[in-house]
This record gives sequence, structure tokens and C-alpha cells, in this order.
Amino acid sequence: DGGITQSPKYLFRKEGQNVTLSCEQNLNHDAMYWYRQDPGQGLRLIYYSQIVNDFQKGDIAEGYSVSREKKESFPLTVTSAQKNPTAFYLCASSIGAGNTDTQYFGPGTRLTVL
Amino acid sequence: AQSVTQLDSQVPVFEEAPVELRCNYSSSVSVYLFWYVQYPNQGLQLLLKYLSGSTLVKGINGFEAEFNKSQTSFHLRKPSVHISDTAEYFCAVSGGDKIIFGKGTRLHILP
Repeated sequence: DGGITQSPKYLFRKEGQNVTLSCEQNLNHDAMYWYRQDPGQGLRLIYYSQIVNDFQKGDIAEGYSVSREKKESFPLTVTSAQKNPTAFYLCASSIGAGNTDTQYFGPGTRLTVL
Repeated sequence: AQSVTQLDSQVPVFEEAPVELRCNYSSSVSVYLFWYVQYPNQGLQLLLKYLSGSTLVKGINGFEAEFNKSQTSFHLRKPSVHISDTAEYFCAVSGGDKIIFGKGTRLHILP
């Protein structure tokens, strides 16, 4: 089955700790994205990558970092610099970064800072 | 610059009644429009999209949407809803360098 997997489903973090969220896809898609979802706010773009070894900041990149060393993988690190990291994080991919390309989403990771 | 507005944050509707979820957009360039659905504690999945051609677009699960360029709208409709349609629905617009999502509309199905 082709798709996008995110792990873990739930993640708890103490203040001051960095955590890394995993995102893997086997759809052979070039483009990958990370979104943050808060109640009533919709989806906000954190980072995106159009191709391996390249990525760009989205609208709310501060306090986050990413890497794209493999086509299949796009991990997101939430650093201690992120002031309010508790949220639902969604990873997505698309065949390309074109305007008509459908994005396919993973099941999400819910991060809670204790 | 582009923006998208979903006019209702929540919509309650009785089972088997029709529903319309409203979406308006603004853009200085040609746009492509999408509706996604998110079931509780899941990711989003595509319901339908408008790229070009016929302004009436049919999607999965009996949903359809109509692109209205003069009113800059892309409202989502279903003639008869089912309890399984309980979800959050997101309108999205693409046309510049990235896709912009609306804030979502929660559809509550009443028995």
C-alpha cells in the first residue's frame, strides 16, 4: 500500500527539549510539506521541500528545523526555541510542487508539551 | 497574494438534509481550488478539485462544488448528508507559490 506514515501518533515533551517527528512516504513524490494545525486556525505551513537536499521556510518556520536527505523522508525537529509547540502536526506530499498537484496527508502527530 | 475565507466555522444539519459549506477566495492570478475533508484525529484527504473546464465538480462521497468566478466562490454541497459525513472540511486555493488553506468548517450531523 502506498501512503504517508507519521510517527509517533502521540508525543509528550518536557519544556526545553528538542523532539523529532518522523514522516515517510512511499509514493515516489518529489515534494513534501509540514503543517501545524491548531483549533480554529486551519493549517499553517512550517517548511516544504520540492526536491531532495532542498527545503524552504513556510509561514511559521521559527523554532523548527527540517532535513531532506532522502526522497522518502522529511523529519521535523521541534526545538526548544518554539514558544508554543503543543499542536497537531501534519505531513503531506505531492508528486510535484505545481499549483494543480493534490497533496496527500499522513495521519498526524499530536505533540503535547508538559 | 491569495486568501481563502470559510464563512462558517460550524454548520449543524439534520441527517438526510442538504448542506452547503461556503468558501470565498481572493487572488490576483488564476487559481485552482480544492476541498479536503478531515475526520477526527486523522489527516486530510481530497474531496474534489477544480482546475479548469466545467465549473461543476463532482467528488467522492456524493459531494460536489461549483466554481463561480464572478463571485469568487467555491461552495461545497451535498444533497443528503449522513452521520458518517461528520468531519471538518477545508477549502484551499492554489495559484501562486503555495497552497493556502481556509480555517475549516465543522459539519455536525444531527439525528
